Amino acid sequence: NAGVMQNPRHLVRRRGQEARLRCSPMKGHSHVYWYRQLPEEGLKFMVYLQKENIIDESGMPKERFSAEFPKEGPSILRIQQVVRGDSAAYFCASSPGLAGGWRETQYFGPGTRLLVL
Amino acid sequence: TQLLEQSPQFLSIQEGENLTVYCNSSSVFSSLQWYRQEPGEGPVLLVTVVTGGEVKKLKRLTFQFGDARKDSSLHITAAQPGDTGLYLCAGASGTYKYIFGTGTRLKVLA
Repeated sequence: NAGVMQNPRHLVRRRGQEARLRCSPMKGHSHVYWYRQLPEEGLKFMVYLQKENIIDESGMPKERFSAEFPKEGPSILRIQQVVRGDSAAYFCASSPGLAGGWRETQYFGPGTRLLVL
Repeated sequence: TQLLEQSPQFLSIQEGENLTVYCNSSSVFSSLQWYRQEPGEGPVLLVTVVTGGEVKKLKRLTFQFGDARKDSSLHITAAQPGDTGLYLCAGASGTYKYIFGTGTRLKVLA
């Protein structure tokens, strides 16, 4: 069973460019979560998506950040006009979407390390 | 704002020693999870505790959820170098959101 896959694993962007981070959930999982981790810190919730729906984006910065989880294909976290402060590790997690909520285990991907020069 | 504070932040011990890591909050959580994260990887779930006072054991690791469901501890007996990593606690906030703690970075020396 393939786990949660994220690509790229490392991404370097210059200030002002766009960053696109991809997440393929585990097979059969329909719920996706994105988290951001700054060096030496815990993970911060960004957004929770189900197929074609954003359920909660309360952790997303109001500008430049967007996320989608289309009917087909991976979930995408998009950061426009990146700034140095966006440098971090971005983790995606998925869950089956059967039991619902915190009763479900979230399985994490290996993360994408974004470096903004 | 719900916060989870972990202590200690850093811990370096010799192989064979015992240790306890704490996760504290002023908020009540419906469940609490412990993860271990290794460099360059995502967190891996170790355990979920749900009931106040609950104790769960995973080989040499013992997890306890406080009676009031505001705190938790992780005790490792006879630590081994393979236990080295970042230990994170995460509390369920609301229906599906998890609040992560600040992390404890453990290094076990051979």
